[in-house]
Amino acid sequence: AQTVTQSQPEMSVQEAETVTLSCTYDTSESNYYLFWYKQPPSRQMILVIRQEAYKQQNATENRFSVNFQKAAKSFSLKISDSQLGDTAMYFCAPGGSNYKLTFGKGTLLTVNP
Amino acid sequence: DVKVTQSSRYLVKRTGEKVFLECVQDMDHENMFWYRQDPGLGLRLIYFSYDVKMKEKGDIPEGYSVSREKKERFSLILESASTNQTSMYLCASGSRRGDEQYFGPGTRLTVT
Repeated sequence: AQTVTQSQPEMSVQEAETVTLSCTYDTSESNYYLFWYKQPPSRQMILVIRQEAYKQQNATENRFSVNFQKAAKSFSLKISDSQLGDTAMYFCAPGGSNYKLTFGKGTLLTVNP
Repeated sequence: DVKVTQSSRYLVKRTGEKVFLECVQDMDHENMFWYRQDPGLGLRLIYFSYDVKMKEKGDIPEGYSVSREKKERFSLILESASTNQTSMYLCASGSRRGDEQYFGPGTRLTVT
């Protein structure tokens, strides 16, 4: 079984600044994947970024990057040059040997103008 | 583009009614999932299906059942709706292990 902790229920950031959302997880598996999903207000859940646990290199996707610390079981999301459209609920989700994902409780990020 | 659609965006039902929520995906994905989303609790897996007619319980299956008669369609059934099943229900589909899941727009169900 996997567990996920997102310790920041809410965060806010000024437009153009950088913000980091934290996520820690626990898993007994050696080969797993990690995801960050974004759910804008009243809109569909979409994938932000994906990390394969066996890869040491941190994943990046434009303004989004992760800091993956495998030994510490930490998977934080950094958003650079924050934009108003980044306002959303963000979920961290590890996935293991089956096809299931375990979602954290989410962090509500508000980007202020 | 992958598309996952859900039969209703909003639904209001009475206690004791039988409720059907339907999900359809157009990418020939083997796996389909039903989640429930509640404030402060994140997404919790109700059921998932890895093939036609195959299903597996998730973390909170009590009070729910599912049906998958065709690969593209996955239904969630509330046999006798109760007020504590008022929630947002999200359907998702995915292919291989490690691939992302694609989500539908969600159904906000209110049981009165």
